[in-house]
Amino acid sequence: SQKIEQNSEALNIQEGKTATLTCNYTNYSPAYLQWYRQDPGRGPVFLLLIRENEKEKRKERLKVTFDTTLKQSLFHITASQPADSATYLCALEDDKLIFGTGTRLQVFP
Amino acid sequence: DTGVSQDPRHKITKRGQNVTFRCDPISEHNRLYWYRQTLGQGPEFLTYFQNEAQLEKSRLLSDRFSAERPKGSFSTLEIQRTEQGDSAMYLCASSSQLAGDGEQFFGPGTRLTVL
Repeated sequence: SQKIEQNSEALNIQEGKTATLTCNYTNYSPAYLQWYRQDPGRGPVFLLLIRENEKEKRKERLKVTFDTTLKQSLFHITASQPADSATYLCALEDDKLIFGTGTRLQVFP
Repeated sequence: DTGVSQDPRHKITKRGQNVTFRCDPISEHNRLYWYRQTLGQGPEFLTYFQNEAQLEKSRLLSDRFSAERPKGSFSTLEIQRTEQGDSAMYLCASSSQLAGDGEQFFGPGTRLTVL
């Protein structure tokens, strides 16, 4: 069955550092992968989409890479801020979205 | 139009009762999705509509769950004979098949507690 894995442990980093989150998947060949941010008690919010033929995509302080050979996507937040603290979800699309469990990021001053 | 809305935001019910949730998508979006999310997990797909047609249902969706989108606009999700295991956040999302990057826009969710 399709499986998407994200680090279940929270990631704690200091303000100003780069946060790197990992998403690995198996038994799937997605055309593209999406990243969402979710704050407690709220619905996910779309951040970035990367297609299988794209190695890297950037949006402001965010960068996503996609390695279809390794079946892995990395999500980077540069110059992190306490306001970046949230849970970050990766999702593969097959008409509907198949989500990973999410990684909680905590940025402390 | 300010986004996807869901009603109610919270619902507490007793085991065995029926509940119905409503989702109003972004008006120009033709696709509407229902997901369920429990604590510490990512959202789990339940079903989705393209216009008024229900195109896919998760195998995890029991016969007690039914969803409708009668006019291709708002949707309802009904759970009959609720069980404690149904307690979760129920999320609705919408998207446009033809526009954007394929992103889905999520509502705030309905938190269901079954006692």
